[in-house]
Amino acid sequence: QKEVEQDPGPLSVPEGAIVSLNCTYSNSAFQYFMWYRQYSRKGPELLMYTYSSGNKEDGRFTAQVDKSSKYISLFIRDSQPSDSATYLCAMSKAGNTPLVFGKGTRLSVIA
Amino acid sequence: GAVVSQHPSRVICKSGTSVKIECRSLDFQATTMFWYRQFPKQSLMLMATSNEGSKATYEQGVEKDKFLINHASLTLSTLTVTSAHPEDSSFYICSARDKGGGTEAFFGQGTRLTVV
Repeated sequence: QKEVEQDPGPLSVPEGAIVSLNCTYSNSAFQYFMWYRQYSRKGPELLMYTYSSGNKEDGRFTAQVDKSSKYISLFIRDSQPSDSATYLCAMSKAGNTPLVFGKGTRLSVIA
Repeated sequence: GAVVSQHPSRVICKSGTSVKIECRSLDFQATTMFWYRQFPKQSLMLMATSNEGSKATYEQGVEKDKFLINHASLTLSTLTVTSAHPEDSSFYICSARDKGGGTEAFFGQGTRLTVV
C-alpha cells in the first residue's frame, strides 16, 4: 500500500460546480497537510496548508483533515475554467521533513 | 507567499555534458531544500534533501555521483546532472522551507531538461 493514495482522475465538471478532491494515507505520523495546484509544465503552487485535524477555508477553497480516518479533502466552490489543473495532496511528519505526494488529480472545468 | 526561483526553466544539452540547475529562495532563508523529478502525468518523486553546509541526503536509487547537489548558502541550492543521458530528460523541481518557521514548502517553476 502506498503511503498516500489519490485518484488520478481525470475529473471533468461544468463551470460553477462544487469539486471534491480527496486523499487517503496510511502513516499516522503525518501532521502537516497541503494541497498544491500544478499547471502543465509549471512548478506546484501551494493552495492550502493545514496542521493536524480540522477545516480551513480560503475564498472558494476549503481543506479538511480527518486524522482519525486518515483522510483529507479539498473542496472548490463555484469552479472556474481557470481551476483546470492537476491538484496534488502532500503531507509530512515534521516541519523539515520531505513532503510525500499523492499522484495528483487532473481536473477540467468546462465552460 | 514566499518565492522560490529556479533557473533555467528549460535546457537542452548533448549527451555526455553536464547541466547545472539553480534554486534560490528570494525572500526567506532555507536551511533545507528538496529536489524532485517529475515524469509526464506522474507525481513528484523526491530525489534528495539538500541541507545548507552539509552533504545532501539522497533517496534510494538516486545516484549521488550523477546528481550532484550543493547547498552553499541559506538561499541557494544547485543540482548538477553530470554526464547526461537521454533517460535523464525530465522535469526537475526544487522546493524550500522557511528557516524562520512554518512548514509550507514553496516550489520553484521547474526546469525541463532535454538530453539529445
